[in-house]
Amino acid sequence: GQSLEQPSEVTAVEGAIVQINCTYQTSGFYGLSWYQQHDGGAPTFLSYNALDGLEETGRFSSFLSRSDSYGYLLLQELQMKDSASYFCAVRATSGTYKYIFGTGTRLKVLA
Amino acid sequence: NAGVTQTPKFQVLKTGQSMTLQCAQDMNHNSMYWYRQDPGMGLRLIYYSASEGTTDKGEVPNGYNVSRLNKREFSLRLESAAPSQTSVYFCASSGAGSQADTQYFGPGTRLTVL
Repeated sequence: GQSLEQPSEVTAVEGAIVQINCTYQTSGFYGLSWYQQHDGGAPTFLSYNALDGLEETGRFSSFLSRSDSYGYLLLQELQMKDSASYFCAVRATSGTYKYIFGTGTRLKVLA
Repeated sequence: NAGVTQTPKFQVLKTGQSMTLQCAQDMNHNSMYWYRQDPGMGLRLIYYSASEGTTDKGEVPNGYNVSRLNKREFSLRLESAAPSQTSVYFCASSGAGSQADTQYFGPGTRLTVL
C-alpha cells in the first residue's frame, strides 16, 4: 500500500530549531509538499520539493532525498505561533493530482 | 480575492438524509479537490477534478458524488448520509504548471451525521 510516516508529536522551546521528518512509500513519486494547520483552521501551503536538496523559504526549509524516500521540514527561530500540525503530502501519480497526506505532526512550542 | 469558499460551515444531518457541499474558487485554477479529515488524522482525498468537465476518484470515494459545475465551482454530494461520514470536509484548488502542486484550501465544512 501507499503510506507516509511522520512523528505524531514534537515539542520544542521558543527560539529553537526543530526538524519534522517524513518517510514515504508510494507506487510513484512526483513531489513532496508540506502544509501547516492550526487547530480549527484550514491547511496552508508551506513548501514543495520535486528534486533532491534543500528549499528555503524564510524561517522554514524543506529537504528531499528521493533515493531514501525521505524528506523533512526544518523550522528555525521557533515562535509560539508555529504551534500547529504539519502534514507532508506526496503526489504519487504522474498526470494526475492525487495526493496522499501523512497523518500529521503536532508541534508544541513552549515559552 | 476570496480564494476558496465553502458553504455551509456547519451541518448536522440525520442518517439517510442527503446534502450538497458547495465550493467555489476565484483564482482561475484548473484543479479542484475534496478531502475529508477525521480527528487526529491527515487529509484523505475523496474526489478531484483536474479540469472543467472531468472528475476522478480519490482514496475514499464511496458514498459521495461530485459535480464540476464550471471552472469555479466543485460540489460534493452525500446521497444517503451515514455516521461514518461525520468529518470535516475541505475543498481545495491548485493552478497549472509550477503552481500545480500548491493547493489552496477553503475554511472547511464541519459535518455531523446522527
